[in-house]
Amino acid sequence: AQSVTQLGSHVSVSEGALVLLRCNYSSSVPPYLFWYVQYPNQGLQLLLKYTSAATLVKGINGFEAEFKKSETSFHLTKPSAHMSDAAEYFCAVSDSGGSNYKLTFGKGTLLTVNP
Amino acid sequence: DAGVTQSPTHLIKTRGQHVTLRCSPISGHKSVSWYQQVLGQGPQFIFQYYEKEERGRGNFPDRFSARQFPNYSSELNVNALLLGDSALYLCASSWGGTVDNYGYTFGSGTRLTVV
Repeated sequence: AQSVTQLGSHVSVSEGALVLLRCNYSSSVPPYLFWYVQYPNQGLQLLLKYTSAATLVKGINGFEAEFKKSETSFHLTKPSAHMSDAAEYFCAVSDSGGSNYKLTFGKGTLLTVNP
Repeated sequence: DAGVTQSPTHLIKTRGQHVTLRCSPISGHKSVSWYQQVLGQGPQFIFQYYEKEERGRGNFPDRFSARQFPNYSSELNVNALLLGDSALYLCASSWGGTVDNYGYTFGSGTRLTVV
């Protein structure tokens, strides 16, 4: 079964600093990978997704992620944090085969942005 | 355009009771998926329905059931509620039902508290 591990349940950065949220996946076959953001009392919003095209994926709100097969990683970055980026971020994986309708999520990383 | 609509937004039930949660997908979307998000965890897949047929089921007991109606809206039913069923229940809709090409749009969820 697919799984993802998000390193760090809580990341705190200063406004304007680099944001780096880590995600590692377990799969022998390159899967589809996603980053979602969840603001308090809201559902999930898709930031970006990797589906075996370019390894560097650009998403909304200035976020991007790089797929590294050798490291089984899909870390999320943003060059300069903004106060509005404070939220919980989830990495998710989906099978590329017959079960490509189901997302398996990590436990999430809470991002705090300090003024 | 309306997004994914879930009702009710909040619900309090007593152990042993039954609950029905409802989801209206985006107009034109034929697939509905249900996820359970326990506090402090990532969402977990419960069901997916596509064209009114169950396509997949997660690792949940038979107390959980769902269905999709001809207008593609969906209900999630949970019988014999346990305290551990307290969670945010998220509905996601998709045109084609696979995460790679079509993607999912999540609703804001129903917060269920079992006392």
